[in-house]
Amino acid sequence: AQKITQTQPGMFVQEKEAVTLDCTYDTSDQSYGLFWYKQPSSGEMIFLIYQGSYDEQNATEGRYSLNFQKARKSANLVISASQLGDSAMYFCAMRDDDISNTGNQFYFGTGTSLTVIP
Amino acid sequence: EAQVTQNPRYLITVTGKKLTVTCSQNMNHEYMSWYRQDPGLGLRQIYYSMNVEVTDKGDVPEGYKVSRKEKRNFPLILESPSPNQTSLYFCASSLFGGGNTGELFFGEGSRLTVL
Repeated sequence: AQKITQTQPGMFVQEKEAVTLDCTYDTSDQSYGLFWYKQPSSGEMIFLIYQGSYDEQNATEGRYSLNFQKARKSANLVISASQLGDSAMYFCAMRDDDISNTGNQFYFGTGTSLTVIP
Repeated sequence: EAQVTQNPRYLITVTGKKLTVTCSQNMNHEYMSWYRQDPGLGLRQIYYSMNVEVTDKGDVPEGYKVSRKEKRNFPLILESPSPNQTSLYFCASSLFGGGNTGELFFGEGSRLTVL
């Protein structure tokens, strides 16, 4: 079963506008971590933001925020004031922290390609 | 500089010729892992290691081997590569516990083509 689902293969956003990239996850564990990574066309993987399953506040890092809705099992990434340099592939990921179960395995979604239009 | 180093970055090989992709990190991380990235499939975990001499299968371990004899190194071995192992491979390491978020630090990737 798919652990991480990203339903938007491609997204377009106007420069300076905000954009939300969707991510839903599937786990029966109580303890887990959620991550977003950015992959520009150059290929490197860049860590953006982290949310722990027990964190009550949504994570924020500069222009990035993670809209964490635990009951819905969603962890959407919000990018405010989009810039041309935000054009990239974005991956949502989950780490299962129940060591007795999977031993901290990471699961990634299929990614969303974001294009920022001038 | 803190980094994860993979070699080679690019490799073209032929079916059945054993190859090793090396991975080394200088951050003293316990956790290391390998992923393959294929179009439309995202990143899929091949193997991971929680510490020296401890390795576990990820989602797509078939056709791969790993070893973790030292904390800093985690090589990926393809004993008999096949064309379906043509892919972009990433090594990553992580430190978590003790208040760390445990994000993955990635190498630059190794693009492997098996003819």
